[in-house]
Amino acid sequence: GESVGLHLPTLSVQEGDNSIINCAYSNSASDYFIWYKQESGKGPQFIIDIRSNMDKRQGQRVTVLLNKTVKHLSLQIAATQPGDSAVYFCAAGGGSYIPTFGRGTSLIVHP
Amino acid sequence: DAGVIQSPRHEVTEMGQEVTLRCKPISGHDYLFWYRQTMMRGLELLIYFNNNVPIDDSGMPEDRFSAKMPNASFSTLKIQPSEPRDSAVYFCASSPPGNTDTQYFGPGTRLTVL
Repeated sequence: GESVGLHLPTLSVQEGDNSIINCAYSNSASDYFIWYKQESGKGPQFIIDIRSNMDKRQGQRVTVLLNKTVKHLSLQIAATQPGDSAVYFCAAGGGSYIPTFGRGTSLIVHP
Repeated sequence: DAGVIQSPRHEVTEMGQEVTLRCKPISGHDYLFWYRQTMMRGLELLIYFNNNVPIDDSGMPEDRFSAKMPNASFSTLKIQPSEPRDSAVYFCASSPPGNTDTQYFGPGTRLTVL
């Protein structure tokens, strides 16, 4: 199975700052990584993904970085807004197994 | 497009009672997943189906839990008898054919067992 962990359970930032949420995975065979956002009272929602043949992928205000050497990925949110407040999960998958979710990091954006 | 639909959204029951959670996956998706989320354990995969067939139920905590998928548009997760430690939010998710990596989650059912 996959063990996926996050470095910090809670991250507090000021509105307008950039946020960085980190995640580590244990299975070297993982080749697909996904970030989900879970707002209060809702299910996790897909944000962005990256395959292992890439080191970086950008979306709208979000960037995911993958370091396969140390089995680490991060989610960067630019110009964080109050609406970004949520719990963020990383998931590692690929191959024949179902993605495993990390514990989640709670992002709190202060206006 | 309708997303994954779950019912009920909230369930409060007493210990020992039977609880049935329901899920309707996104039309055309052939994978269906049941998760449990708690503060202590995070998001745990309980069981998943492919084409209505259970593939892996190793996450089901014990025999009190059972899941069925009688057809492509409906699944149930049953707890009988329920216990207070079953209190959690239960999510159903579905994935399109050939892609289990990206899952579409329902809004969840918050279960409270008194």
